Amino acid sequence: GAGVSQTPSNKVTEKGKYVELRCDPISGHTALYWYRQSLGQGPEFLIYFQGTGAADDSGLPNDRFFAVRPEGSVSTLKIQRTERGDSAVYLCASSLGANTEAFFGQGTRLTVV
Amino acid sequence: RKEVEQDPGPFNVPEGATVAFNCTYSNSASQSFFWYRQDCRKEPKLLMSVYSSGNEDGRFTAQLNRASQYISLLIRDSKLSDSATYLCVVNFNFNKFYFGSGTKLNVKP
Repeated sequence: GAGVSQTPSNKVTEKGKYVELRCDPISGHTALYWYRQSLGQGPEFLIYFQGTGAADDSGLPNDRFFAVRPEGSVSTLKIQRTERGDSAVYLCASSLGANTEAFFGQGTRLTVV
Repeated sequence: RKEVEQDPGPFNVPEGATVAFNCTYSNSASQSFFWYRQDCRKEPKLLMSVYSSGNEDGRFTAQLNRASQYISLLIRDSKLSDSATYLCVVNFNFNKFYFGSGTKLNVKP
């Protein structure tokens, strides 16, 4: 399909482990966003890429979270020393450019036990 | 104060009813506005953009009031399939979308 693809769809990990979440945006979309959504809440902004650079990472909760987009397409969200409070659905979205509508992937449901 | 605020609901309405949701935003420099729909355990999907002059898409009408900093969504002739959470989304600073917590709609037969 031509939509935003996220892998894995589900991830269960032990507290303290490292995880990587992958996002493959819609082809040609220069803007890429990561969001985190907890039950009963709207998506919470984490980081925004324009091309290869992180234009705004103000939503990353602490330095355990990091994201890259080395070639301006696929992005990886990396979480070190996971904690139970990191459990949530991590959503990736892409758009043609800033200020145009964003299209979301199906999300990665992360559970830290 | 949150950037975008919505009444969480739930709004419980019978089929065929008209229902309206409002959303307020805090940043007067906000540039673009959207309504997204999210079904249970699914990703948000764009329902419609919201333009200054107001816009309509079938049974859905969106309005923007910049002076009062609120956005509305009106759904006419509600269908069972309209049951979902409706997310108000505001974009400012050209680089991120702020989401409300969503308004839950239940349409009953």
